[in-house]
Amino acid sequence: EPEVTQTPSHQVTQMGQEVILRCVPISNHLYFYWYRQILGQKVEFLVSFYNNEISEKSEIFDDQFSVERPDGSNFTLKIRSTKLEDSAMYFCASSPGQLQPQHFGDGTRLSIL
Amino acid sequence: DQQVKQNSPSLSVQEGRISILNCDYTNSMFDYFLWYKKYPAEGPTFLISISSIKDKNEDGRFTVFLNKSAKHLSLHIVPSQPGDSAVYFCAASIIQGAQKLVFGQGTRLTINP
Repeated sequence: EPEVTQTPSHQVTQMGQEVILRCVPISNHLYFYWYRQILGQKVEFLVSFYNNEISEKSEIFDDQFSVERPDGSNFTLKIRSTKLEDSAMYFCASSPGQLQPQHFGDGTRLSIL
Repeated sequence: DQQVKQNSPSLSVQEGRISILNCDYTNSMFDYFLWYKKYPAEGPTFLISISSIKDKNEDGRFTVFLNKSAKHLSLHIVPSQPGDSAVYFCAASIIQGAQKLVFGQGTRLTINP
């Protein structure tokens, strides 16, 4: 069964550094998402991406964050000038269309020191 | 953000019996609901969904019930199996637009032999 893959599984970065989290969505999917889960808290929406542009973003997704689909397969989340509170599990998800469930990767654990 | 709530942090059920997980929501605009299962160190795995035009959807051992007037949904698992032990998340979205998922806090289900 096709799946969403995320790399790396764990990323440790110094505060203030930039980090790029990578995702390969399922190949025929059209909608792409990033979510995060801070330890002990809910999974929360960050951004959705469709037709090569952001379709919605949350209040969390400020100028520090950006997303890109640089080629036909990868979907990346870049965090500039990381802060301690960016430490979380980041999940990528994709879906084929409306009224279709989102399928999640296994996440990247981001630890900011 | 309390738009989706799972009031039971944990539930313990004997193998072979029925597990019932509950979820409440406050936003009447939600019209698509999903249940995900999550094991440690993995991403959420889609289980079953229901749109607001239905009040029940069944898939094998899993049935989701939606009560729109009460803004309540439930997931029934019967018979419960040891492999069902996991954290279960309820999520809701609005079909039109970006369809971002709003998650509940999760319920940890333990199936006892």
